[in-house]
Amino acid sequence: GESVGLHLPTLSVQEGDNSIINCAYSNSASDYFIWYKQESGKGPQFIIDIRSNMDKRQGQRVTVLLNKTVKHLSLQIAATQPGDSAVYFCAENGGSNYKLTFGKGTLLTVNP
Amino acid sequence: GAVVSQHPSRVICKSGTSVKIECRSLDFQATTMFWYRQFPKQSLMLMATSNEGSKATYEQGVEKDKFLINHASLTLSTLTVTSAHPEDSSFYICSASDRTGAYEQYFGPGTRLTVT
Repeated sequence: GESVGLHLPTLSVQEGDNSIINCAYSNSASDYFIWYKQESGKGPQFIIDIRSNMDKRQGQRVTVLLNKTVKHLSLQIAATQPGDSAVYFCAENGGSNYKLTFGKGTLLTVNP
Repeated sequence: GAVVSQHPSRVICKSGTSVKIECRSLDFQATTMFWYRQFPKQSLMLMATSNEGSKATYEQGVEKDKFLINHASLTLSTLTVTSAHPEDSSFYICSASDRTGAYEQYFGPGTRLTVT
């Protein structure tokens, strides 16, 4: 879904399906990107990262795709499980050495 | 490894009082610590960056006299919300990096502040 104001984009999937969460970033100077998972009432948890010299990186059940041409990042989760239900944020470094700027977030709900 | 704790996890205070939140790196030395604020259903907004032994660098729009940050040691940073008001109610999250200029940040569990 599209984000409007304070409403988080949401994605609802069935357990076992693959999930794709998208993120558009704005700073063309960004050369490092991270996906975080945040469960309700907790701090963000690192999932996977990617540098701008790559367009794809795979982890355990997760894949991150980077399209620098259109400044788009996606997170693919294979065989989504109920424990994957959370808000997912992308973050970019804006070309800086240490500061991260977080995207709006997407609420993923996995239905059993 | 790379565990960051925050204390307290929840705090309720009266308007006009000050509240201190602690952020500790438990198994590494944090050369840089970050403080974020997160309102419900919104993203994390960076408030300030602090390096051990030096003054914090605040993001635009964040009042340094209201949000006092102290990074006195390589394992501890504190955020004090002075003269808190209801609009300061939020989820405050710290993160820490174990290398200067590194991208990797390890996040704490957050502190829920409610000002009545």
